[in-house]
Amino acid sequence: QQQVKQSPQSLIVQKGGISIINCAYENTAFDYFPWYQQFPGKGPALLIAIRPDVSEKKEGRFTISFNKSAKQFSLHIMDSQPGDSATYFCAASSLRGGGADGLTFGKGTHLIIQP
Amino acid sequence: GAGVSQSPRYKVAKRGQDVALRCDPISGHVSLFWYQQALGQGPEFLTYFQNEAQLDKSGLPSDRFFAERPEGSVSTLKIQRTQQEDSAVYLCASSLVPGGTEAFFGQGTRLTVV
Repeated sequence: QQQVKQSPQSLIVQKGGISIINCAYENTAFDYFPWYQQFPGKGPALLIAIRPDVSEKKEGRFTISFNKSAKQFSLHIMDSQPGDSATYFCAASSLRGGGADGLTFGKGTHLIIQP
Repeated sequence: GAGVSQSPRYKVAKRGQDVALRCDPISGHVSLFWYQQALGQGPEFLTYFQNEAQLDKSGLPSDRFFAERPEGSVSTLKIQRTQQEDSAVYLCASSLVPGGTEAFFGQGTRLTVV
């Protein structure tokens, strides 16, 4: 059972455009939703995270939008740059449960920003 | 170093061989996680330590996989009698607080079983 579904699998955006990646989850116990960026040969790096008590969180060019009733959340990258080209993963975990079962990741989105 | 350090970076093992993968978390971090990342996939949870206690090992795929963190800092993931399906990148992550928010990942160990 895939608990976090991520789309699209790959995305090409022109420089300066908006990149949008979507995720949907099934487990209502999830209460922590981070996004990770991964470059080839590197480990995932935390970009931004949100808790379900807010509907939006912005940090620089990165924004998470969260819809609790729809069990969906998305990452928006404004003014996308070639350096943003990477694989992006959404993830979820249950902190109420202690977080011991770790993060459940989506399958990833391969983002390419064309100059 | 300031980050999570994993060694070796690459490991080639013959099928049936035992391997040991090491993780040095960020100093003082309470939580330590191991994940397995297959090619083109997202990381999948293997096991979680809070200090030296292994609180969850539900993600370990078989009894050939064993992890330890005896002094609450360095952790070792051991795989016995490796199989081809064990080929993957093994990632370690640590977090300052229990539960693993703001988890920092190492670069991983790429294991290839031939």
